[in-house]
Amino acid sequence: EAGVTQFPSHSVIEKGQTVTLRCDPISGHDNLYWYRRVMGKEIKFLLHFVKESKQDESGMPNNRFLAERTGGTYSTLKVQPAELEDSGVYFCASSQDWNDRLNTGELFFGEGSRLTVL
Amino acid sequence: SQELEQSPQSLIVQEGKNLTINCTSSKTLYGLYWYKQKYGEGLIFLMMLQKGGEEKSHEKITAKLDEKKQQSSLHITASQPSHAGIYLCGADILPHDMRFGAGTRLTVKP
Repeated sequence: EAGVTQFPSHSVIEKGQTVTLRCDPISGHDNLYWYRRVMGKEIKFLLHFVKESKQDESGMPNNRFLAERTGGTYSTLKVQPAELEDSGVYFCASSQDWNDRLNTGELFFGEGSRLTVL
Repeated sequence: SQELEQSPQSLIVQEGKNLTINCTSSKTLYGLYWYKQKYGEGLIFLMMLQKGGEEKSHEKITAKLDEKKQQSSLHITASQPSHAGIYLCGADILPHDMRFGAGTRLTVKP
């Protein structure tokens, strides 16, 4: 079974440009999370989708960040316009529905998309 | 194969008991992070360890990183139902290159 996949693995852009990161969760996982890690610090939460709905977007830093999950499958995270402080690694994770007691519910992480803004 | 081995996979303890979760790598780590995932929620950051021999505590949770920076343990003293969840270790196997363990599911029985 394929795990969580993220694309691109590394993106280098200039300040002011736009970048779109993509996450393909594990098939059947309703929950999809975006996290960001900046310069060797701990991972910080950005937002949580349940299917196509934003369950919690309290971690989104500002309105330059836009996340979508059309159809409840893959998700995109767009940064427009990118700033220097947006550099870091963006992780995506998915999990099954916690309400189903037959499911484990653990988070499965992608390998991250490294964003460098020059 | 997992770059980070986390054990045990699952742990059931009686309330009030102590417990330990381990996270091991064959490589020297540049940083080690412990997270907790509560049921139905995302990750909660617990602690970060970067120096060999470092130990940190937060309330009843203590984490240590060994001198070789290849192994970390998370110890919970006098466990409570609120400690239940999935504990996940994350580590930099290269500078700023994080990988995750498989997680440990903790159940605390009242």
